[in-house]
Amino acid sequence: DTGVSQNPRHKITKRGQNVTFRCDPISEHNRLYWYRQTLGQGPEFLTYFQNEAQLEKSRLLSDRFSAERPKGSFSTLEIQRTEQGDSAMYLCASTPQAPGMGTQYFGPGTRLTVL
Amino acid sequence: DQQVKQNSPSLSVQEGRISILNCDYTNSMFDYFLWYKKYPAEGPTFLISISSIKDKNEDGRFTVFLNKSAKHLSLHIVPSQPGDSAVYFCAASRQGAQKLVFGQGTRLTINP
Repeated sequence: DTGVSQNPRHKITKRGQNVTFRCDPISEHNRLYWYRQTLGQGPEFLTYFQNEAQLEKSRLLSDRFSAERPKGSFSTLEIQRTEQGDSAMYLCASTPQAPGMGTQYFGPGTRLTVL
Repeated sequence: DQQVKQNSPSLSVQEGRISILNCDYTNSMFDYFLWYKKYPAEGPTFLISISSIKDKNEDGRFTVFLNKSAKHLSLHIVPSQPGDSAVYFCAASRQGAQKLVFGQGTRLTINP
């Protein structure tokens, strides 16, 4: 399977705990994105990496959120001191480098439930 | 500020008929548009896209139409099949920006 993979697929945690999600993009895709999707809404952009550089962050990404892509391959998204409002599907996508526009290919997502 | 809107939360179509899903956008800077299909507990799957230099793009049973003056795009599926039952999202991006802006989605149900 050469698609985008995400782990874990599901995470249940208690309020106040820290959680970390992992995304492995399609091989050779140098652009990686994180989105969050809540019930009844479309995915909302969180942040974007080109290789290991984090080039854009949404205002949705509060100080409790941090994302890394240390070697330009896989990426992690950490949420510290989780709140119930963090409950959502966290989606990762990747795209190859191209001038201008590009199609983003999504992973299966990590569903986070904060109790 | 919802820049991409899908005003129909749901749509029900008879198998074999045409399904038409609609999407409106407000940002005239958008120049690339995509449709994604999503099954429960899965990530969005890319279906078809269109650049603003075109007004139609076709791929098998799927055709996307773009009306720039009306800031409107639509996805036509013909003939509709039971496996097409899913939530469909339209998304838009603009030159130089990396993020996709999504609509709220339309749940399509194909009835046998």
